[in-house]
Amino acid sequence: KAGVTQTPRYLIKTRGQQVTLSCSPISGHRSVSWYQQTPGQGLQFLFEYFSETQRNKGNFPGRFSGRQFSNSRSEMNVSTLELGDSALYLCASKEGAEDTQYFGPGTRLTVL
Amino acid sequence: AQSVSQHNHHVILSEAASLELGCNYSYGGTVNLFWYVQYPGQHLQLLLKYFSGDPLVKGIKGFEAEFIKSKFSFNLRKPSVQWSDTAEYFCAVNARTYKYIFGTGTRLKVLA
Repeated sequence: KAGVTQTPRYLIKTRGQQVTLSCSPISGHRSVSWYQQTPGQGLQFLFEYFSETQRNKGNFPGRFSGRQFSNSRSEMNVSTLELGDSALYLCASKEGAEDTQYFGPGTRLTVL
Repeated sequence: AQSVSQHNHHVILSEAASLELGCNYSYGGTVNLFWYVQYPGQHLQLLLKYFSGDPLVKGIKGFEAEFIKSKFSFNLRKPSVQWSDTAEYFCAVNARTYKYIFGTGTRLKVLA
């Protein structure tokens, strides 16, 4: 099976803009989670979608939102970008609730 | 709230030295435990996992981890490290809330 894919791989935006990141999970996986990775902070959980429903949410402001489509593909949107949003955004998928999570390569977002 | 602590943020070892990375979590119920590794320029990969059964689990590349329930710990070990083990290592916990909680990571540098 193909692994988790994320597009784009790199993105440069300016403050105030918005951005949409995309994630395609492993075939058959219905759960997609998003994480923000920054040096020293590790992986911060953003949210998880399962069968098009948000099942869990981390402690991020409302500028961060997501959705999942019927084919399990997921998108994450960040509005009104801030410099502090510069990070590696990781997507991970798993088959069921307690299964192992598999990660994509990430999207490197730089906010200028 | 659930949390995961990795006390060693940076570790430097010479080749053939033994490795032990600490991981402690706070959650009173049943958990699934994971170690992920991120090699330079690569995405997160699963190193090993514990769901139930034998508390000593073996993973890829000669790594193992021991789950000690009474100490809420899941330490990662390798008897003899190689230069290629240079990477960042993340401990993660998945409790019944389904979301993963990650530690802040340990950067391991192995000197040839």
